[in-house]
Formats: sequence, C-alpha cells, structure tokens
Amino acid sequence: EAQVTQNPRYLITVTGKKLTVTCSQNMNHEYMSWYRQDPGLGLRQIYYSMNVEVTDKGDVPEGYKVSRKEKRNFPLILESPSPNQTSLYFCASSRGGPYYEQFFGPGTRLTVL
Amino acid sequence: AQSVAQPEDQVNVAEGNPLTVKCTYSVSGNPYLFWYVQYPNRGLQFLLKYITGDNLVKGSYGFEAEFNKSQTSFHLKKPSALVSDSALYFCAVRDIMDSNYQLIWGAGTKLIIKP
Repeated sequence: EAQVTQNPRYLITVTGKKLTVTCSQNMNHEYMSWYRQDPGLGLRQIYYSMNVEVTDKGDVPEGYKVSRKEKRNFPLILESPSPNQTSLYFCASSRGGPYYEQFFGPGTRLTVL
Repeated sequence: AQSVAQPEDQVNVAEGNPLTVKCTYSVSGNPYLFWYVQYPNRGLQFLLKYITGDNLVKGSYGFEAEFNKSQTSFHLKKPSALVSDSALYFCAVRDIMDSNYQLIWGAGTKLIIKP
C-alpha cells in the first residue's frame, strides 16, 4: 500500500529534550516536506526537500532541522524543543513536479511542557 | 505577494443541499490550484486540482471546483451534501513561475453537514 508513515503519532516531552520525528514514504517520491498545523493558521511549511541531500527552509524553520540521506526518509529534528513548538506535525511527499498532489502522513501530535 | 484566502471559517449546510466552500488566490503568474480535505484525527487527503484546460474540475467523493481567472477564485462545490462530508477543507495554490514547488495554503474551512 502506498503510504507516508510517521512516528511517533503522539509525543509529550519537556523543554530542551532533543527529539526526532521520523517520516518514511514508499512511493519513490522525490519531494518531501514537513508542515505544522495550528488552529486558525492552517498549514505552515517548516522544511522541504526536492531530492536526496537537497533541503531548504520553508516559512517557519526556526528551531527545526531535517536531513535527507535516503530518498524514502525525511526525519524532523527538534534539538531543544520549546512550548511554542507544541503543534500537530505532518510529513508529505509527492513526485518531483509542481503540479503533482501531495500525500500526507497521519500526523504527529507533539506537546512540549 | 502570493496568498490564498478562505473567507469562511465555518460553513453549515443541511444534508442533501448543495454546498460551496470558497477560495480566492493571488499569485504573480498562472496558478496551480488544489483542494485537500482533513477528516478528524487524520492526515490531509487530495481532492482535486486545476493545472490547465477545462475550468470545471471534478474530483473525489463527488466534489468539483470551478477555476475563475477573472475573479481569481477556485470554489469547491458539491450538488448534494452528505453528513460524511463534514471535515476541514484546505485550498492551496502554487505559482507556475515558482521554482521551489512550495504550496501556499489557506487557513482552512470547517464544513458541517447537519442531518
């Protein structure tokens, strides 16, 4: 089954404790992206990657890191989480062109205390 | 500056009635336009897109959308609403001239279909 998987689905952590949210897709997609969703703000892009070893900042990259060492994986790293990073996070992937739709993971609900 | 507006935070429709969820956009060049739906506790799912060609686009679950270039709109429609259509709907646009494939997202419209 074609899908985007994220882990964990739910995470409660404390300020400053490094964490990683994994994202993997099995569709051989070139493009991958991380978003955060907050009430009233819609989706805001954090980082995106157009191919292996190619990443770029989205609209809200501060406090986040990503890497793209393999085509299928695109982990999101929070080196020192803060309460304002409490949010719902989505990973997405698509083929490598601007007119292709994105496939989304199920989401990771993160709470930083 | 590129932008997308979904002017209604919430739309309430009785089951069986037609529904419209509004979206307007602003881009420098020509747009690629998308609609996505988010059901409770789920990720977003693609509904339909406009790339070029016929202004009326048909998508999943009986939804359609009409591209209106003069009004810079891409409203989502369905002739007869179902209770199961209740969800959060997002409009998104990509400027054809944008080389980094970024999507600009609307804030979302909550659609409530009442039995």
